[in-house]
Amino acid sequence: EVQLVESGGGLVQPGGSLRLSCAASGFTFSSYWMSWVRQAPGKGLEWVANIRQDGGEKYYVDSVKGRFTISRDNAKNSLYLQMNSLRAEDTAVYYCARVEGIAAAGIWYLDLWGRGTLVTVSS
Amino acid sequence: EIVLTQSPGTLSLSPGERATLSCRASQSVSSTYLAWYQQKPGQTPRVLIYAASTRATGIPDRFSGSGSGTDFTLTISRLEPEDFAVYYCQQYAGSPWTFGQGTKVEIK
Repeated sequence: EVQLVESGGGLVQPGGSLRLSCAASGFTFSSYWMSWVRQAPGKGLEWVANIRQDGGEKYYVDSVKGRFTISRDNAKNSLYLQMNSLRAEDTAVYYCARVEGIAAAGIWYLDLWGRGTLVTVSS
Repeated sequence: EIVLTQSPGTLSLSPGERATLSCRASQSVSSTYLAWYQQKPGQTPRVLIYAASTRATGIPDRFSGSGSGTDFTLTISRLEPEDFAVYYCQQYAGSPWTFGQGTKVEIK
């Protein structure tokens, strides 16, 4: 079955750290860009970060630059998000998503999503 | 950063009616870089439309997308009960990728 399964969420104090994982199965993980997208409780979607197939390119939303690091292990079919210096405003469900697209045509979209993992930053 | 503004915030309609959702970009976006997603309560988002007007696999033809430049539209020709949800547009024209704030389509 083609799927993404996130783990690693939980309750953490402000200033703390957490590492999220996303296990991919049913497709050739190493062939896809991957993303993290988050959704604060009762709010809309916010793109967080992207990583290229080989990990050589990474992009972040400004609000997490310098605090979050996206990475991947293609041998383990896994995506990660290391989150440091966490703030209350980082509280959200974090989704792992696969980026589908046709680079030559400039077409991109998120075609496969995990169910998400909840991160709560609170004292 | 490209800001996407969706309108209306909430759309109250009855099953069988037509829904028209708007997504306006703060600067011109190539149509290939615009997608629409649906999210039902407690569920994961799913892609409906990519490249502004191409339906994703398995999406019914009552969903259609159009637009170019700064103005994009998602149309649901006849609302089915399962279509009542929140809809987001997203642009991929440059980093950061951004989503609109969402339009909730609710049962009138």
